[in-house]
Amino acid sequence: SQQGEEDPQALSIQEGENATMNCSYKTSINNLQWYRQNSGRGLVHLILIRSNEREKHSGRLRVTLDTSKKSSSLLITASRAADTASYFCATADYAGNNRKLIWGLGTSLAVNP
Amino acid sequence: DAEITQSPRHKITETGRQVTLACHQTWNHNNMFWYRQDLGHGLRLIHYSYGVQDTNKGEVSDGYSVSRSNTEDLPLTLESAASSQTSVYFCASSDQGRDIQYFGAGTRLSVL
Repeated sequence: SQQGEEDPQALSIQEGENATMNCSYKTSINNLQWYRQNSGRGLVHLILIRSNEREKHSGRLRVTLDTSKKSSSLLITASRAADTASYFCATADYAGNNRKLIWGLGTSLAVNP
Repeated sequence: DAEITQSPRHKITETGRQVTLACHQTWNHNNMFWYRQDLGHGLRLIHYSYGVQDTNKGEVSDGYSVSRSNTEDLPLTLESAASSQTSVYFCASSDQGRDIQYFGAGTRLSVL
């Protein structure tokens, strides 16, 4: 079952603008990750934030985590056409001593030149 | 460089046929996963393995099987292909005790 739910489902912005997408989840987590998927390709890991962290940066990416609201946001600053992709959040489920990821449905980002 | 490769990239088959999708990783990862991706459903876990001879069912395992005879490979078999199994299939791997997954490029399967 899907735990993460991203919003918006689709986002269209101009190059140079910032893009913000959100992820909500339902149960307690150990960490939350964001992945990017370019059209016709596999997913690529972007960033992982642990449950005891509130904010993390990686280049033009900024991720926040609010465990009280069970939500995370991914901010891409100064977007480029190459950022056009789908973005997925995934939460780590350690139930039953297994390490599985539970995936959201993704946000489709279009960055227009 | 380490990588994870899937083959074939595209496959067309007929209903009722057995189909095997290959996944090979050179990361030396213990954990391997098979997902299917469909519009409106996101990524759904089919089967996963935490090491040689270990296999586990995911949320959509009916009609699929896997076997893990070595660290590098986790082939996915569709026993009797059905049109509902038309999808894009992704293989992924992760290191023991780690949650970051590395994905292959995917196999687009059409069952006619």
